[in-house]
Amino acid sequence: ETGVTQSPTHLIKTRGQQVTLRCSSQSGHNTVSWYQQALGQGPQFIFQYYREEENGRGNFPPRFSGLQFPNYSSELNVNALELDDSALYLCASSLGRGPGYEQYFGPGTRLTVT
Amino acid sequence: KQEVTQIPAALSVPEGENLVLNCSFTDSAIYNLQWFRQDPGKGLTSLLLIQSSQREQTSGRLNASLDKSSGRSTLYIAASQPGDSATYLCAINAGGTSYGKLTFGQGTILTVHP
Repeated sequence: ETGVTQSPTHLIKTRGQQVTLRCSSQSGHNTVSWYQQALGQGPQFIFQYYREEENGRGNFPPRFSGLQFPNYSSELNVNALELDDSALYLCASSLGRGPGYEQYFGPGTRLTVT
Repeated sequence: KQEVTQIPAALSVPEGENLVLNCSFTDSAIYNLQWFRQDPGKGLTSLLLIQSSQREQTSGRLNASLDKSSGRSTLYIAASQPGDSATYLCAINAGGTSYGKLTFGQGTILTVHP
């Protein structure tokens, strides 16, 4: 069984640019959540997708957007990048959207904004 | 708003010591609590998940306890080894309308030296 995978591993962008991060969920999982982890901090919830629909959102501006595809893989898009967007972006997949479903995390994408 | 705090922020111990990591939370209305391990620049590995109705969970040298009424959880690591060196994060799933959103503490950085 393949675990959660994310691409790319590392990314360097310039302030004002746009970026797309990708996540492939674990086999059979229909829910993907995205988290942002700044250096030295715990992860912060960005949003969750369940069966291609946004199912909940944290305190992030609209320039953070996402998609989930019919195969349940997901993308995180960030527009108008700011220096503070530099972080490790983690995705997690689960068998369902309820709190009883354990989330399995990918290795993350390290984004650096210069 | 749920807030999660972990103490200490960093801990350095000699190999073989037993140690306790602490996690406190402000809202006792939780669905479950989870402890994760994170190696530098990597994703999260789940260690233990405690449902709100449980008092503790054990896995090998790890034991996690939960006291909802006092808003506390502890992770006990017995006979620590250098390979235990990592950041340990606790996360709360509040359930209800928050669905799968996890609220994390800022982590405890553990160093076990030979």
